[in-house]
Amino acid sequence: QKEVEQDPGPLSVPEGAIVSLNCTYSNSAFQYFMWYRQYSRKGPELLMYTYSSGNKEDGRFTAQVDKSSKYISLFIRDSQPSDSATYLCAMSDMAGNMLTFGGGTRLMVKP
Amino acid sequence: GAGVSQSPSNKVTEKGKDVELRCDPISGHTALYWYRQSLGQGLEFLIYFQGNSAPDKSGLPSDRFSAERTGGSVSTLTIQRTQQEDSAVYLCASSLGQGALETQYFGPGTRLLVL
Repeated sequence: QKEVEQDPGPLSVPEGAIVSLNCTYSNSAFQYFMWYRQYSRKGPELLMYTYSSGNKEDGRFTAQVDKSSKYISLFIRDSQPSDSATYLCAMSDMAGNMLTFGGGTRLMVKP
Repeated sequence: GAGVSQSPSNKVTEKGKDVELRCDPISGHTALYWYRQSLGQGLEFLIYFQGNSAPDKSGLPSDRFSAERTGGSVSTLTIQRTQQEDSAVYLCASSLGQGALETQYFGPGTRLLVL
């Protein structure tokens, strides 16, 4: 079993929909949680970064962490076709020298 | 400013040949990371450098893989006697400092195909 599990999708939604992306993890040493977005043939780019359990909002994006359940989520409001990409969750321990990634969820937002 | 750059962008090689992949981090970034992204395994950590030193090499898949960093800047990932299972996208990232609070910025990757 992988340390970080993520549904690969693809997830197809109409423009304007609310998107929910999720990851579960098994290693309780993970303390820092990130969401990266990766467009085709590009490197991942950081979207959101959280440390504590709870919600963090940035524009149309909300990251949620539940350490007790070892479950993290990313919500995208008013989704746009430009949001079509692969979304990767990533996490690290306190040292933070390496990131452990989920397999990524491919999202398609249709106009 | 310039981001992380990697070269070549694509590399096709024959099984058994050696390949060198290059990473130029963002100027001033002291930490540098190599990851591998493949269809079956997702994105997996290989090695990181703080300055020119690599404290943990346990992520390298086999002894055919090695990496070095010189002058606290450019890094090279070398794969000797390539195998077909080495085919993947090799991603490099850099961060201003070391540790969990430092954002890792990724390059576009080198797509390696071993025939």
